[in-house]
Amino acid sequence: DIQMTQSPSSLSASVGDRVTITCRASQSISSYLNWYQQKPGKAPKLLIYAASSLQSGVPSRFSGSGSGTDFTLTISSLQPEDFATYYCQQSYSTSNLYTFGQGTKLEIK
Amino acid sequence: EVQLVESGGGLVQPGGSLRLSCAASGFTFSSYDMHWVRQATGKGLEWVSAIGTAGDTYYPGSVKGRFTISRENAKNSLYLQMNSLRAGDTAVYYCARVVGSLHFDLWGRGTLVTVSS
Repeated sequence: DIQMTQSPSSLSASVGDRVTITCRASQSISSYLNWYQQKPGKAPKLLIYAASSLQSGVPSRFSGSGSGTDFTLTISSLQPEDFATYYCQQSYSTSNLYTFGQGTKLEIK
Repeated sequence: EVQLVESGGGLVQPGGSLRLSCAASGFTFSSYDMHWVRQATGKGLEWVSAIGTAGDTYYPGSVKGRFTISRENAKNSLYLQMNSLRAGDTAVYYCARVVGSLHFDLWGRGTLVTVSS
């Protein structure tokens, strides 16, 4: 089974900061990597798909990169509404189709 | 409006059964693969099941043999039959639509399932 590991598990940052979250797959997943944002009590929201494609309506301060086993989500200039939990998700394996990372909680410093 | 609305959650005893429903609207339901994803309180997201447009189904080992996903395209509805429920199945259950490179672009608000005596 493909395992997804995010780092860090939590992060404190200030409005205006540049933030990077990392996701590592236990084996190559090509570019089948997606990023979601979740706020308390709400459903997850798709931010980035296929490693680097920005979902329609998502601000351009969000970007994704990587391929193979190592991926990053970058927020170029944190806004107050960006404080949330972020999850990566692989969609490469057909035997364990949709593994999620454990999440990264982004908090206000 | 394009949306998914889950229902059917509630309190059930260990070993019991529950059937969740997800009503889709605003899009051609039959054209999309559909999934269930769950989240225990304070925990991360866990993929639970998937069904393709042709009715092919997929499950992780944690629920295989206990959960059954199905769909009724004529009613724009997705279902999750959950049997032999355990305390560890307690979670909010979301239905979600999959597109393109297999990413979830549309989610419901979720329905809470509590397994407790």
